[in-house]
Amino acid sequence: ILNVEQSPQSLHVQEGDSTNFTCSFPSSNFYALHWYRWETAKSPEALFVMTLNGDEKKKGRISATLNTKEGYSYLYIKGSQPEDSATYLCAFLSGYSTLTFGKGTMLLVSP
Amino acid sequence: EAGVTQSPTHLIKTRGQQATLRCSPISGHTSVYWYQQALGLGLQFLLWYDEGEERNRGNFPPRFSGRQFPNYSSELNVNALELEDSALYLCASSQTSGGANTQYFGPGTRLTVL
Repeated sequence: ILNVEQSPQSLHVQEGDSTNFTCSFPSSNFYALHWYRWETAKSPEALFVMTLNGDEKKKGRISATLNTKEGYSYLYIKGSQPEDSATYLCAFLSGYSTLTFGKGTMLLVSP
Repeated sequence: EAGVTQSPTHLIKTRGQQATLRCSPISGHTSVYWYQQALGLGLQFLLWYDEGEERNRGNFPPRFSGRQFPNYSSELNVNALELEDSALYLCASSQTSGGANTQYFGPGTRLTVL
């Protein structure tokens, strides 16, 4: 059974704060790491798919890094806005071709 | 371009009944995935269909089954419903099989078993 851990479980920040979350995954048999944003009452929205060690991806104020050798990925949000409030999920893909999701980090950004 | 659609939005059943959930992928996508999110748990992988074939299934009992039709839409069937089957069921599709492809999710079906 693959174990994907996300921390913290929840986070409450003020508008304008920068924040980051961690996703830990098995370092063996790595194939890809996905990040999703899931707003309440909406569908999970794909943010990034990362496949290479050292990969860095950026989408607006959100960026992510990947370390496959030690089995972690960081997601950064610069200058958080209330509309960033959501649950952020990471999902690990091993060679068995199905995603294993973490439980997510719930972010609340107050104005 | 229309996204992944699922029906129904909500479904209420009683123990022992059968539930059928439907999913239409994004046009051009051949792979469909089903996930369950039960209360307090993360998304759990259920089933993966590609080109009409079941490619993989998660750690769920055989009463969870499904199929993929020639137009790539998919159906999830849950037989002999149990109370713990109450959950949000999400469908996702991707352009081809293979995990480096982004999966696009539908809005989900909320199944309640009484």
